[in-house]
Amino acid sequence: GQQVMQIPQYQHVQEGEDFTTYCNSSTTLSNIQWYKQRPGGHPVFLIQLVKSGEVKKQKRLTFQFGEAKKNSSLHITATQTTDVGTYFCAGRGSSNTGKLIFGQGTTLQVKP
Amino acid sequence: DGGITQSPKYLFRKEGQNVTLSCEQNLNHDAMYWYRQDPGQGLRLIYYSQIVNDFQKGDIAEGYSVSREKKESFPLTVTSAQKNPTAFYLCASSENSRQSTDTQYFGPGTRLTVL
Repeated sequence: GQQVMQIPQYQHVQEGEDFTTYCNSSTTLSNIQWYKQRPGGHPVFLIQLVKSGEVKKQKRLTFQFGEAKKNSSLHITATQTTDVGTYFCAGRGSSNTGKLIFGQGTTLQVKP
Repeated sequence: DGGITQSPKYLFRKEGQNVTLSCEQNLNHDAMYWYRQDPGQGLRLIYYSQIVNDFQKGDIAEGYSVSREKKESFPLTVTSAQKNPTAFYLCASSENSRQSTDTQYFGPGTRLTVL
C-alpha cells in the first residue's frame, strides 16, 4: 500500500540554525499537506502543495513539492524557540480514496 | 465558536473494560476520523467516516469500534480486545474527503491510560 516516509525522526538545532525535514512517498501524490504539532498539543494544518515543483513560503518556512510529486520538504530558516514541535507531512494518492497518509513526523528541538 | 471537541482530556481505565471516547464537531464537516498516536510515532488511522451512517476501517481498526449516527458526532469505543490501548487518541474532521485538496482539523485529543 501507499507509504509516506519522513526523515529525520528527530533534529536538535541551536537557535538561529536552519532546519529541513524531508518526505518521500512510494507512489505519486495528488497533493501534499504539512501539519505542525506543538508539544502536548494537536496537529494544526500549515499548508498544502498541489502542483509539480511548487514552492510556497510562510515567513521563515519554505515548502517544496517535487517535480515527480513523490517527495516534499520543509525548510525553516533561522530557527526560533517557537518552532519547537513535530512536523508531519501527509499525502493523498492519485486515486483519492479519501485517506491522508501521514509520515512519521520530525520532532524539532531548538536550544536557546 | 466553531471547532472540534474531545472529552475528557485524560482518561484512566482498568484493563478489560471497554471505554468510549467522544468527538463532536460543529464545523458542518461531512468527514470525521480517528487516529492513534504513540510516543515518537506518527498518526495511525483507526477508522474514518466520509458521511453520516457510513464508516470504513483504517490501518489499525482491530479492537476498536465506531458509530456515525449524527453528522456532528463520531464516538470511538476502545474494546477489551485492543491489546495495547494506552495511547493519545486524536479525532479530526474535514469538509469533504472526496475532494483531493480536503484538509483536516484536529481536536485536542484524549490521552487514554489503561492500568
